[in-house]
Amino acid sequence: KAGVTQTPRYLIKTRGQQVTLSCSPISGHRSVSWYQQTPGQGLQFLFEYFSETQRNKGNFPGRFSGRQFSNSRSEMNVSTLELGDSALYLCASSLDREGYTFGSGTRLTVV
Amino acid sequence: GQQLNQSPQSMFIQEGEDVSMNCTSSSIFNTWLWYKQDPGEGPVLLIALYKAGELTSNGRLTAQFGITRKDSFLNISASIPSDVGIYFCAGLTPRDDKIIFGKGTRLHILP
Repeated sequence: KAGVTQTPRYLIKTRGQQVTLSCSPISGHRSVSWYQQTPGQGLQFLFEYFSETQRNKGNFPGRFSGRQFSNSRSEMNVSTLELGDSALYLCASSLDREGYTFGSGTRLTVV
Repeated sequence: GQQLNQSPQSMFIQEGEDVSMNCTSSSIFNTWLWYKQDPGEGPVLLIALYKAGELTSNGRLTAQFGITRKDSFLNISASIPSDVGIYFCAGLTPRDDKIIFGKGTRLHILP
């Protein structure tokens, strides 16, 4: 079965812009989590969605938001981009909090 | 906040050697997960542990959920070149069901 699909794979944006990243989970998975990965901070939890509701949230500013659609696909939005937002953004899906499967990520570069 | 201390940060070993890495925390976790990440890809789940004291194997990999629920280790036996990568431990917090990741162990295999 198809894995977790993240689009786009690479993105370059300028400071102040906003960006939307997309994640399609494995078919049947209802939980989607988002993570930011940077060399200095490692993998940091952004938020988790389950059945279109945000179930959990990490310690990121309000510029980071997300949503989940009825088909479990999820989008993450970052507004007013800063240089420090450059990172690999990963999403992971699971049936319900077990055996999370990650996508290949979206590499965001803010210039 | 809850943190996972993963060690060592990096390892240089000869092909064929056994490898051991671990994660410790001052907090307890309900679930321990071990992932491997190759360059340019998302982490791939290797082993999931759901019960204190549980010892689970996946081929040459063996992981254990510590009896205190505050630690876990991963062993790789008879390492081969494709074992190169970054290994992450992750724990699911009992209070708010968040996944916390360790900073990773980078495994290098010398020719």
